[in-house]
Amino acid sequence: SQKIEQNSEALNIQEGKTATLTCNYTNYSPAYLQWYRQDPGRGPVFLLLIRENEKEKRKERLKVTFDTTLKQSLFHITASQPADSATYLCALEGNNNDMRFGAGTRLTVKP
Amino acid sequence: GAVVSQHPSRVICKSGTSVKIECRSLDFQATTMFWYRQFPKQSLMLMATSNEGSKATYEQGVEKDKFLINHASLTLSTLTVTSAHPEDSSFYICSARDRGYNSPLHFGNGTRLTVT
Repeated sequence: SQKIEQNSEALNIQEGKTATLTCNYTNYSPAYLQWYRQDPGRGPVFLLLIRENEKEKRKERLKVTFDTTLKQSLFHITASQPADSATYLCALEGNNNDMRFGAGTRLTVKP
Repeated sequence: GAVVSQHPSRVICKSGTSVKIECRSLDFQATTMFWYRQFPKQSLMLMATSNEGSKATYEQGVEKDKFLINHASLTLSTLTVTSAHPEDSSFYICSARDRGYNSPLHFGNGTRLTVT
């Protein structure tokens, strides 16, 4: 069966450090992968999309890598700030154009 | 940017009643909308995929007669929880695409349903 796994339920880091979140998937052949941010009581907000032919993508302090051999994406936040504290979700599209999400990693950046 | 409005944000209803949740794309046309359910500290569980003008595609285990989805126009989809029970209490979130395949989803801010 198809699975999307985010290895850490929670991640605590110190302000200024780099946060690295992992997304692994099984039984998908994705043409792309997406990352979202969700704050408590709110809907997710799209952050980045990376295509299968892209190894890396950056947006400001965010960097995403995509390794289709390892079936893994890494999401990095450099120079992290307390405002980056949120839950981060990776998402893949299934065969029926349905978007599915990993369980998320709850990031806490401590000042 | 693309905005999705979801209403109401919170609703409390009595067991046995029905509740309708609206999801509107405000500045774009959404041919596909998705409905998710989220329990506390858990991820989004896809309930159904809704295409404008056709019947929704429900995920396995989601009762289509209980969770009625209507996508009558390119800017509006509704989810009606019929004969609600306390176990239906949850956070329901809709999302929509403003373009086709591989475009990001735009989410509403969710509806917190409490059934007493």
